[in-house]
Amino acid sequence: DAGVIQSPRHEVTEMGQEVTLRCKPISGHNSLFWYRQTMMRGLELLIYFNNNVPIDDSGMPEDRFSAKMPNASFSTLKIQPSEPRDSAVYFCASRYLSPQGTFSEQYFGPGTRLTVT
Amino acid sequence: AQKVTQAQTEISVVEKEDVTLDCVYETRDTTYYLFWYKQPPSGELVFLIRRNSFDEQNEISGRYSWNFQKSTSSFNFTITASQVVDSAVYFCALSEREILTGGGNKLTFGTGTQLKVEL
Repeated sequence: DAGVIQSPRHEVTEMGQEVTLRCKPISGHNSLFWYRQTMMRGLELLIYFNNNVPIDDSGMPEDRFSAKMPNASFSTLKIQPSEPRDSAVYFCASRYLSPQGTFSEQYFGPGTRLTVT
Repeated sequence: AQKVTQAQTEISVVEKEDVTLDCVYETRDTTYYLFWYKQPPSGELVFLIRRNSFDEQNEISGRYSWNFQKSTSSFNFTITASQVVDSAVYFCALSEREILTGGGNKLTFGTGTQLKVEL
Protein backbone atom coordinates (compact mmCIF):
# COMPACT_ATOMS: atom_id res chain seq x y z
CA ASP A 1 0.00 0.00 0.00
CA ALA A 2 1.19 3.50 -0.73
CA GLY A 3 2.08 5.58 2.27
CA VAL A 4 1.48 9.28 2.71
CA ILE A 5 2.58 11.09 -0.43
CA GLN A 6 3.96 14.60 -0.36
CA SER A 7 5.01 16.86 -3.18
CA PRO A 8 7.29 18.44 -3.99
CA ARG A 9 10.07 16.77 -2.03
CA HIS A 10 12.24 19.86 -2.31
CA GLU A 11 11.26 23.44 -2.96
CA VAL A 12 13.53 26.44 -3.31
CA THR A 13 11.87 29.79 -3.69
CA GLU A 14 12.57 33.45 -3.26
CA MET A 15 11.24 35.55 -0.45
CA GLY A 16 7.81 36.93 -1.25
CA GLN A 17 6.78 34.09 -3.52
CA GLU A 18 3.79 31.84 -2.89
CA VAL A 19 4.54 28.25 -1.96
CA THR A 20 2.08 25.37 -2.06
CA LEU A 21 2.83 22.03 -0.46
CA ARG A 22 0.69 19.03 -1.25
CA CYS A 23 -0.26 15.89 0.60
CA LYS A 24 -2.17 12.73 -0.22
CA PRO A 25 -3.04 10.75 2.92
CA ILE A 26 -3.20 7.00 3.15
CA SER A 27 -6.43 5.72 1.63
CA GLY A 28 -9.02 5.14 4.34
CA HIS A 29 -7.44 7.52 6.80
CA ASN A 30 -9.72 10.36 7.88
CA SER A 31 -7.38 12.53 9.93
CA LEU A 32 -4.59 14.60 8.44
CA PHE A 33 -1.86 16.58 10.17
CA TRP A 34 0.68 19.14 9.03
CA TYR A 35 3.92 19.43 11.01
CA ARG A 36 7.00 21.59 10.62
CA GLN A 37 10.50 20.61 11.66
CA THR A 38 13.28 23.11 12.28
CA MET A 39 16.49 22.98 14.23
CA MET A 40 15.32 25.74 16.52
CA ARG A 41 11.79 24.57 17.28
CA GLY A 42 11.93 20.86 16.58
CA LEU A 43 8.77 19.14 15.39
CA GLU A 44 5.64 21.20 15.86
CA LEU A 45 2.04 20.63 14.84
CA LEU A 46 0.65 23.33 12.56
CA ILE A 47 -2.90 22.16 11.90
CA TYR A 48 -4.99 19.02 11.76
CA PHE A 49 -8.17 17.92 10.06
CA ASN A 50 -10.72 15.26 10.97
CA ASN A 51 -12.97 14.18 8.11
CA ASN A 52 -11.73 17.10 6.01
CA VAL A 53 -12.71 19.66 8.66
CA PRO A 54 -9.99 21.76 10.31
CA ILE A 55 -10.10 21.05 14.03
CA ASP A 56 -7.21 23.02 15.45
CA ASP A 57 -5.05 25.53 13.62
CA SER A 58 -3.52 27.09 16.70
CA GLY A 59 -0.08 25.99 15.57
CA MET A 60 -0.23 27.93 12.32
CA PRO A 61 2.42 30.61 12.79
CA GLU A 62 0.84 33.51 10.95
CA ASP A 63 -1.88 34.54 8.56
CA ARG A 64 0.61 33.93 5.78
CA PHE A 65 -0.03 30.23 6.33
CA SER A 66 -3.22 28.53 5.23
CA ALA A 67 -4.27 24.91 4.82
CA LYS A 68 -7.14 23.28 3.02
CA MET A 69 -8.52 19.80 2.65
CA PRO A 70 -11.05 19.86 -0.18
CA ASN A 71 -11.57 16.10 -0.08
CA ALA A 72 -10.47 13.00 1.78
CA SER A 73 -7.51 12.36 -0.47
CA PHE A 74 -5.85 15.74 -0.79
CA SER A 75 -4.61 18.60 1.33
CA THR A 76 -2.53 21.70 0.69
CA LEU A 77 -0.46 23.96 2.89
CA LYS A 78 0.11 27.37 1.39
CA ILE A 79 2.52 30.09 2.42
CA GLN A 80 1.95 33.51 0.91
CA PRO A 81 4.20 35.45 0.96
CA SER A 82 7.07 33.20 1.96
CA GLU A 83 9.92 34.42 4.17
CA PRO A 84 13.38 32.97 4.87
CA ARG A 85 12.30 31.97 8.38
CA ASP A 86 9.76 29.61 6.83
CA SER A 87 12.62 27.40 5.67
CA ALA A 88 12.00 23.99 7.23
CA VAL A 89 10.92 20.46 6.51
CA TYR A 90 7.15 20.19 6.35
CA PHE A 91 5.63 16.82 7.14
CA CYS A 92 2.15 15.58 6.45
CA ALA A 93 0.77 12.69 8.49
CA SER A 94 -2.47 10.75 8.43
CA ARG A 95 -4.29 8.28 10.62
CA TYR A 96 -7.68 6.64 11.04
CA LEU A 97 -10.06 7.85 13.75
CA SER A 98 -13.09 5.64 14.37
CA PRO A 99 -16.53 6.96 15.34
CA GLN A 100 -15.95 5.37 18.74
CA GLY A 101 -12.80 7.41 19.25
CA THR A 102 -10.21 4.71 18.77
CA PHE A 103 -7.42 5.63 16.42
CA SER A 104 -4.40 4.36 14.61
CA GLU A 105 -0.97 5.86 14.99
CA GLN A 106 0.04 8.69 12.69
CA TYR A 107 1.93 7.73 9.56
CA PHE A 108 4.20 10.38 8.18
CA GLY A 109 5.05 11.30 4.63
CA PRO A 110 8.63 11.81 3.47
CA GLY A 111 8.43 15.56 4.01
CA THR A 112 8.99 18.61 1.83
CA ARG A 113 12.22 20.48 2.39
CA LEU A 114 11.47 24.16 1.82
CA THR A 115 14.21 26.72 1.37
CA VAL A 116 13.26 30.37 1.07
CA THR A 117 16.11 32.62 -0.04
CA ALA B 1 0.05 21.71 29.06
CA GLN B 2 1.83 18.62 27.90
CA LYS B 3 5.58 18.36 27.63
CA VAL B 4 8.14 15.74 26.61
CA THR B 5 11.75 15.90 27.69
CA GLN B 6 14.54 13.95 26.06
CA ALA B 7 17.55 15.07 28.03
CA GLN B 8 20.07 13.13 25.95
CA THR B 9 20.88 15.19 22.89
CA GLU B 10 23.37 12.74 21.41
CA ILE B 11 24.58 9.27 22.31
CA SER B 12 27.46 7.42 20.70
CA VAL B 13 27.95 3.70 21.17
CA VAL B 14 29.97 0.96 19.60
CA GLU B 15 28.10 -1.72 17.70
CA LYS B 16 26.68 -4.52 19.87
CA GLU B 17 26.43 -2.31 22.92
CA ASP B 18 23.05 -1.86 24.59
CA VAL B 19 21.72 1.68 24.75
CA THR B 20 18.79 3.29 26.54
CA LEU B 21 17.10 6.45 25.36
CA ASP B 22 15.31 8.36 28.08
CA CYS B 23 11.93 10.06 27.82
CA VAL B 24 10.15 11.94 30.58
CA TYR B 25 6.72 13.42 30.05
CA GLU B 26 4.34 15.82 31.76
CA THR B 27 0.59 15.83 31.44
CA ARG B 28 -2.43 16.64 33.57
CA ASP B 29 -4.62 14.10 31.86
CA THR B 30 -5.24 10.64 33.22
CA THR B 31 -5.72 9.30 29.70
CA TYR B 32 -2.87 9.86 27.32
CA TYR B 33 -0.76 8.12 24.72
CA LEU B 34 2.97 7.79 24.32
CA PHE B 35 4.90 7.11 21.14
CA TRP B 36 8.38 6.58 19.82
CA TYR B 37 9.36 7.52 16.27
CA LYS B 38 12.65 6.98 14.45
CA GLN B 39 14.08 9.48 11.97
CA PRO B 40 16.94 7.93 10.00
CA PRO B 41 19.36 10.07 7.97
CA SER B 42 17.00 9.84 5.00
CA GLY B 43 14.60 12.06 6.95
CA GLU B 44 11.33 10.19 7.13
CA LEU B 45 9.60 9.57 10.44
CA VAL B 46 9.00 5.93 11.20
CA PHE B 47 6.52 4.83 13.84
CA LEU B 48 7.95 2.40 16.40
CA ILE B 49 5.48 2.01 19.24
CA ARG B 50 2.42 3.42 20.90
CA ARG B 51 1.35 2.98 24.52
CA ASN B 52 -1.76 4.21 26.29
CA SER B 53 -1.70 5.36 29.88
CA PHE B 54 -3.64 2.35 31.12
CA ASP B 55 -1.16 -0.15 29.79
CA GLU B 56 2.03 -0.19 31.82
CA GLN B 57 3.22 -3.49 30.48
CA ASN B 58 6.68 -3.34 29.08
CA GLU B 59 7.06 -4.36 25.48
CA ILE B 60 9.75 -6.15 23.56
CA SER B 61 10.04 -6.26 19.80
CA GLY B 62 13.17 -7.98 18.61
CA ARG B 63 16.12 -5.91 19.81
CA TYR B 64 13.84 -3.08 20.90
CA SER B 65 12.19 -2.82 24.30
CA TRP B 66 10.24 -0.12 26.08
CA ASN B 67 9.83 0.54 29.78
CA PHE B 68 6.79 2.57 30.77
CA GLN B 69 6.66 3.75 34.38
CA LYS B 70 3.83 6.05 35.36
CA SER B 71 5.31 6.57 38.81
CA THR B 72 8.25 8.40 37.29
CA SER B 73 6.45 9.64 34.15
CA SER B 74 8.98 7.92 31.98
CA PHE B 75 8.83 5.90 28.79
CA ASN B 76 12.35 4.73 28.07
CA PHE B 77 13.53 2.90 24.97
CA THR B 78 16.31 0.32 24.96
CA ILE B 79 18.09 -1.08 21.95
CA THR B 80 19.91 -4.32 22.67
CA ALA B 81 23.00 -5.24 20.68
CA SER B 82 22.92 -2.01 18.70
CA GLN B 83 23.74 -2.00 15.00
CA VAL B 84 24.96 0.68 12.63
CA VAL B 85 21.52 0.73 11.01
CA ASP B 86 20.08 1.92 14.31
CA SER B 87 21.84 5.25 13.82
CA ALA B 88 19.07 7.83 13.70
CA VAL B 89 17.29 10.50 15.67
CA TYR B 90 14.70 9.03 18.00
CA PHE B 91 11.70 11.05 19.10
CA CYS B 92 9.42 10.42 22.02
CA ALA B 93 5.95 11.96 21.73
CA LEU B 94 2.87 12.45 23.88
CA SER B 95 -0.76 12.86 22.94
CA GLU B 96 -3.58 13.67 25.31
CA ARG B 97 -7.10 12.39 24.87
CA GLU B 98 -9.13 14.81 22.80
CA ILE B 99 -12.45 15.28 24.55
CA LEU B 100 -14.61 15.88 21.51
CA THR B 101 -13.40 13.06 19.36
CA GLY B 102 -12.13 10.71 22.03
CA GLY B 103 -8.93 10.11 20.19
CA GLY B 104 -5.50 11.52 20.78
CA ASN B 105 -4.76 14.19 18.28
CA LYS B 106 -1.96 16.56 18.96
CA LEU B 107 1.42 14.92 19.11
CA THR B 108 3.86 16.84 21.27
CA PHE B 109 7.36 15.73 20.42
CA GLY B 110 10.50 15.78 22.48
CA THR B 111 13.61 17.35 21.01
CA GLY B 112 14.96 13.97 19.96
CA THR B 113 18.07 11.96 20.75
CA GLN B 114 20.66 11.48 18.05
CA LEU B 115 22.01 7.94 18.29
CA LYS B 116 25.26 7.13 16.55
CA VAL B 117 26.32 3.52 16.38
CA GLU B 118 29.89 3.00 15.23
CA LEU B 119 31.78 -0.08 14.20
